[in-house]
Amino acid sequence: GAVVSQHPSWVICKSGTSVKIECRSLDFQATTMFWYRQFPKQSLMLMATSNEGSKATYEQGVEKDKFLINHASLTLSTLTVTSAHPEDSSFYICSVPYSRGYEQYFGPGTRLTVT
Amino acid sequence: DAKTTQPPSMDCAEGRAANLPCNHSTISGNEYVYWYRQIHSQGPQYIIHGLKNNETNEMASLIITEDRKSSTLILPHATLRDTAVYYCIVRGYSNTGKLIFGQGTTLQVKP
Repeated sequence: GAVVSQHPSWVICKSGTSVKIECRSLDFQATTMFWYRQFPKQSLMLMATSNEGSKATYEQGVEKDKFLINHASLTLSTLTVTSAHPEDSSFYICSVPYSRGYEQYFGPGTRLTVT
Repeated sequence: DAKTTQPPSMDCAEGRAANLPCNHSTISGNEYVYWYRQIHSQGPQYIIHGLKNNETNEMASLIITEDRKSSTLILPHATLRDTAVYYCIVRGYSNTGKLIFGQGTTLQVKP
C-alpha cells in the first residue's frame, strides 16, 4: 500500500488565490520531507526541504514567501502556493526519506492548474 | 554530488532484458549510485542503490564498474509496465538525503 499520500491529487484554482497541498507519511515518522516541482516533459526539480520543528530550507531560486512550507507534525508537511499564477501550474511531489536516508518514498503528486 | 549522464531514450522488446547505462565519471568514494523510475504522471519509485558491489533485488540488478565511473541497471524481463523514465542519481550519504534528478532515460517497452 501507499507509504506517502498527497492531497489533493489535482486542483484548479484562479489566479491570485492560494492553494495548500498536504503530504502525509503513512507508515513512519519523518523529521524531514522534500518538495519537488515538475513541469511537463521535464525532470523533477527540488524546491525545498521541510524540517519538523524548524524552518524549511529552500533551494536557490525558489521564493520562500511564495511557497510556504509548514512541517506541522512528524507525519505531515504542507506546501502552500500563495497568490498563484498560471506559471505556477505544475506537478508538485513530496518525498520522505526512509531507511536512514538510503531510500525515499514519493507521494503520488498533486497536479495544480492555475487559470 | 557527482553529475550523471544517461541516454535520453531507449527501446526494449517485451520479455527481453533492458540494460540502462549511466556514466558518473566524477563520483567520489563515499557516493552511492541510486536508481529511481517515474511512470507517467506518478511520483518516482525507488528501484535499487549500490556503493561498489553489484546489487540485486526483486525489481532489478545494478552493475557498477570496478572504477565506479559507470553503472548499468538491468531489468531482467521487461514488461509493458516497465515503460517509464529511469533516473540514475549519485549521492553522498553525508548530505541531508535530498535527491537531485537529471533528465533520465525514457524506456519504452514494446510488445
